[in-house]
Amino acid sequence: GEDVEQSLFLSVREGDSSVINCTYTDSSSTYLYWYKQEPGAGLQLLTYIFSNMDMKQDQRLTVLLNKKDKHLSLRIADTQTGDSAIYFCAEMRPSSNTGKLIFGQGTTLQVKP
Amino acid sequence: NAGVTQTPKFRVLKTGQSMTLLCAQDMNHEYMYWYRQDPGMGLRLIHYSVGEGTTAKGEVPDGYNVSRLKKQNFLLGLESAAPSQTSVYFCASSQGQGTGVYEQYFGPGTRLTVT
Repeated sequence: GEDVEQSLFLSVREGDSSVINCTYTDSSSTYLYWYKQEPGAGLQLLTYIFSNMDMKQDQRLTVLLNKKDKHLSLRIADTQTGDSAIYFCAEMRPSSNTGKLIFGQGTTLQVKP
Repeated sequence: NAGVTQTPKFRVLKTGQSMTLLCAQDMNHEYMYWYRQDPGMGLRLIHYSVGEGTTAKGEVPDGYNVSRLKKQNFLLGLESAAPSQTSVYFCASSQGQGTGVYEQYFGPGTRLTVT
């Protein structure tokens, strides 16, 4: 398909792990990104992964990339109430030399105390 | 270092009115972008610019115009506002080609309502 797809909503309990999934469109996309949007604010880059990597870990965040299935996931360990936000995955297609990104619809993460 | 700023934060327009949204960045970035965000649809690119004096159409350019007369500013214009343009508008900037990661830095957004 042409769209980057994400589920719209995820609810977890504080302290649990959260896994947010994304299906992207172009198996040769060069970079894949996770952005976080807190209420009333703009997006902020959380992490990214280059297409020749399968996994990237950064403190509580783990990004997994399955190029064959064009599937990207973001795992947040020990989820905190401050992690409540909308999470967007985005891809940069190989034809882009302008930094243009294609965003998914965003997944709202709700963390219950 | 303010990053990316947007003016105004909120605006209510009547159908047919015009307005200009201003985006400014102080990071000396080459590339700038205008997005709109609608519920359940993520961010869609309206127009973008890869340098001073250059602009190009994005995914949803109809009804909007842009200008990049100065490197630090990127203006988004609505000539004749329509209710379908009710949205939250975000500006972003990034360093130019050759930096690889193309991290985009976003402004806080402008919430526009067209009645």
